[in-house]
Amino acid sequence: KAGVTQTPRYLIKTRGQQVTLSCSPISGHRSVSWYQQTPGQGLQFLFEYFSETQRNKGNFPGRFSGRQFSNSRSEMNVSTLELGDSALYLCASRTRQGGSYEQYFGPGTRLTVT
Amino acid sequence: GENVEQHPSTLSVQEGDSAVIKCTYSDSASNYFPWYKQELGKRPQLIIDIRSNVGEKKDQRIAVTLNKTAKHFSLHITETQPEDSAVYFCAARSLNQGGKLIFGQGTELSVKP
Repeated sequence: KAGVTQTPRYLIKTRGQQVTLSCSPISGHRSVSWYQQTPGQGLQFLFEYFSETQRNKGNFPGRFSGRQFSNSRSEMNVSTLELGDSALYLCASRTRQGGSYEQYFGPGTRLTVT
Repeated sequence: GENVEQHPSTLSVQEGDSAVIKCTYSDSASNYFPWYKQELGKRPQLIIDIRSNVGEKKDQRIAVTLNKTAKHFSLHITETQPEDSAVYFCAARSLNQGGKLIFGQGTELSVKP
């Protein structure tokens, strides 16, 4: 099976702009979670989507939002970008079948805010 | 709140030696503990995991142990090789939290030939 894919791989934006990142999960995986990775804060959970519904949310401001489509692909959006939003944004998918908790990560989108 | 502490932050070993990374979690409802390896510029890769109803799990040169009473779990790598050099992250999932993983801060492992 193909792994988790994310587009774009790199983005440069300026403060105040908004950005949309995309994640395609492993075929058959219906749950997608998003994480922010920075050198200072490590890996932090943003939110999880399953069956087009947000199931869980981390401690991030409302500028961070997401959605999931019927084919399980997910997007996350960050509005009014701040310098501190510069990070690697990772998505991870899992099947949820058979009580599986295993999550598999995509390559990430490197966002730089100038 | 939920928290996972990971130690050490850096670890340097000679090729062939063993490496041990330790994590402590705060939420007693945690029931799943994965370990990820992240090489420079690459995605985190799941290398081993353990559930709360198991005390130890082994896969070739890597093993994970869990002490639920102490809320402590560890990654053990034996016969280390230079290709084991990477950042290792532990994580914990709490019951009824879906796919939310709380990660430790990471351990940078360097294996010297």
